[in-house]
Amino acid sequence: SAVISQKPSRDICQRGTSLTIQCQVDSQVTMMFWYRQQPGQSLTLIATANQGSEATYESGFVIDKFPISRPNLTFSTLTVSNMSPEDSSIYLCSVESVENTRSGANVLTFGAGSRLTVL
Amino acid sequence: DAKTTQPPSMDCAEGRAANLPCNHSTISGNEYVYWYRQIHSQGPQYIIHGLKNNETNEMASLIITEDRKSSTLILPHATLRDTAVYYCIVRGLRGYYGGSQGNLIFGKGTKLSVKP
Repeated sequence: SAVISQKPSRDICQRGTSLTIQCQVDSQVTMMFWYRQQPGQSLTLIATANQGSEATYESGFVIDKFPISRPNLTFSTLTVSNMSPEDSSIYLCSVESVENTRSGANVLTFGAGSRLTVL
Repeated sequence: DAKTTQPPSMDCAEGRAANLPCNHSTISGNEYVYWYRQIHSQGPQYIIHGLKNNETNEMASLIITEDRKSSTLILPHATLRDTAVYYCIVRGLRGYYGGSQGNLIFGKGTKLSVKP
């Protein structure tokens, strides 16, 4: 399965600033996904990033707040804009890979996440 | 996608089998049962999936009831490193985004604590 590197692994940010998270994959993938995990909560999909087109955002997430870039098939960035303490979360990048199973199911591989704390 | 219900937490003694239940009474015929786990400070990790037959891999076994309304993930010899939150997810083999599984709906999962 794919290997995903995320940077930064953690950061402490000031209210009103923006931070860009990078996601690098060791193989070419069509779609990359960005999830958010708020403290003590489960994961929520923010958006899907396809190379060469605009990202598709889930309900409750907008491009102005979470702009995404997808310049090539191995890289994506997520920016958290104008941060507030409510944006303190772990942000995770994931990609789909084919597991060696009888069904050939596609499963998700996740990066280790970027833990943001907004003061 | 069908909703799943899992106990919020479970304990297991090291070396013993950990049996994690999941109810998915509204599962439809083309939906698979997937299990992921999230170890502290890491991203979720795929464990196993199945449709109606029991499945086994190097990590775990998955037992699905005949009516498919519930399943059990079995870690045969739990170790301290198996302490994690375990998520049971039901999902069609091909998802919303033209075949993608991207929109996996993660519930709260079961927090498994393996104790020495």
